[in-house]
Amino acid sequence: RKEVEQDPGPFNVPEGATVAFNCTYSNSASQSFFWYRQDCRKEPKLLMSVYSSGNEDGRFTAQLNRASQYISLLIRDSKLSDSATYLCVVNRRSGNTPLVFGKGTRLSVIA
Amino acid sequence: GAVVSQHPSRVICKSGTSVKIECRSLDFQATTMFWYRQFPKKSLMLMATSNEGSKATYEQGVEKDKFLINHASLTLSTLTVTSAHPEDSSFYICSARKNYEQYFGPGTRLTVT
Repeated sequence: RKEVEQDPGPFNVPEGATVAFNCTYSNSASQSFFWYRQDCRKEPKLLMSVYSSGNEDGRFTAQLNRASQYISLLIRDSKLSDSATYLCVVNRRSGNTPLVFGKGTRLSVIA
Repeated sequence: GAVVSQHPSRVICKSGTSVKIECRSLDFQATTMFWYRQFPKKSLMLMATSNEGSKATYEQGVEKDKFLINHASLTLSTLTVTSAHPEDSSFYICSARKNYEQYFGPGTRLTVT
């Protein structure tokens, strides 16, 4: 089983739509959780951290369920500029340790 | 502005040659840097952890003699792909942690012909 698994996608949605991405992780000892965004042929960039209590940043809402080892990202009122690949990312341990990436889910927002 | 830089951004080399990729932390010291590789439409895969002043830690399945890592200073780690083959063609990305966030370099696209 892969350490981080995501919806395969792609998701093709119209502007203004709400879209949700899901992710599961296998290592119950994982400490930190993130969503990164990666544009084509570019490096990944941090979109938001994910906290147990759930957190929101504008149109983006992230949720974490440690018991189910499940992470989600909700994007409301999709914009064309949201088109990218969204990566679910887990940090195995606290501190200066490497990140483990899911394969990513491709989102295309269509006018 | 950029926090981590990489050089070169793109390189094309012939099979059998070696290629060096530099990763620099800008305006901060990084005792640890990470090297990832990404094939088209695949996830980023951790190759190795680069430790300043000591040997790198390689992930299972990554040949340490083929992918030489040197972390000679607190702001520079290098990855050398030795005797490159076409199957080494990939997007190589480094990262370093500043404060509580990991920042990624812009990546190096290697094409081996």
